[in-house]
Amino acid sequence: SYELTQPPSVSVSPGQTASITCSGDKLGDKYACWYQQKSGQSPVLVIYQDSKRPSGIPERFSGSNSGNTATLTISGTQAMDEADYYCQAWDSSPVVFGGGTKLTVL
Amino acid sequence: QITLKESGPTLVKPTQTLTLTCTFSGFSLSTSGVGVGWIRQPPGKALEWLALIYWDDDKRYSPSLKSRLTITKDTSKNQVVLTMTNMDPVDTATYYCAHCIAAAFDYWGQGTLVTVSS
Repeated sequence: SYELTQPPSVSVSPGQTASITCSGDKLGDKYACWYQQKSGQSPVLVIYQDSKRPSGIPERFSGSNSGNTATLTISGTQAMDEADYYCQAWDSSPVVFGGGTKLTVL
Repeated sequence: QITLKESGPTLVKPTQTLTLTCTFSGFSLSTSGVGVGWIRQPPGKALEWLALIYWDDDKRYSPSLKSRLTITKDTSKNQVVLTMTNMDPVDTATYYCAHCIAAAFDYWGQGTLVTVSS
């Protein structure tokens, strides 16, 4: 079965750029999306179709997907961005989630 | 405005069948391209996709749980129902339903915590 691998944790200082990766076999050939989940809340879609932002998502969130890796980038990270982030892709299953990355804003 | 809400039992016994209902508003499940999915999250763990039903009644299941899952829709009632048989304590989780479009789940319900215990 298809698997997506994320680093368990990423730390960033306020105002700096955070990058969270998601790896999977030929992931660049599939659509990837990203969800933000704050403690005790439902996930929120922040990036879909590799790099598109839903309405209401700040411009500091961006995405890319090429080769075997999709990347979520948060520019000018704010304290409010501290959360768990999950990547998701579509395969023959068809839906696969990554294991999640805890973003800490120090 | 799209909203979804999960409902069902909060406690089930091992071996029982779980039935969850997702009641939604703000969209129609007869609209081309639209789907509703179920995703669960055990306490402190990652999201796990369970099942998905599309506007045309196409149904997809997680390969690891396929034998235990059934997803159906009632378009007239704006509801999607998920059943999971032979529940086990490891199935304890928050269960979410979500609106699916353009290869993403863009609206999620608040989730419902289901505990499996005797």
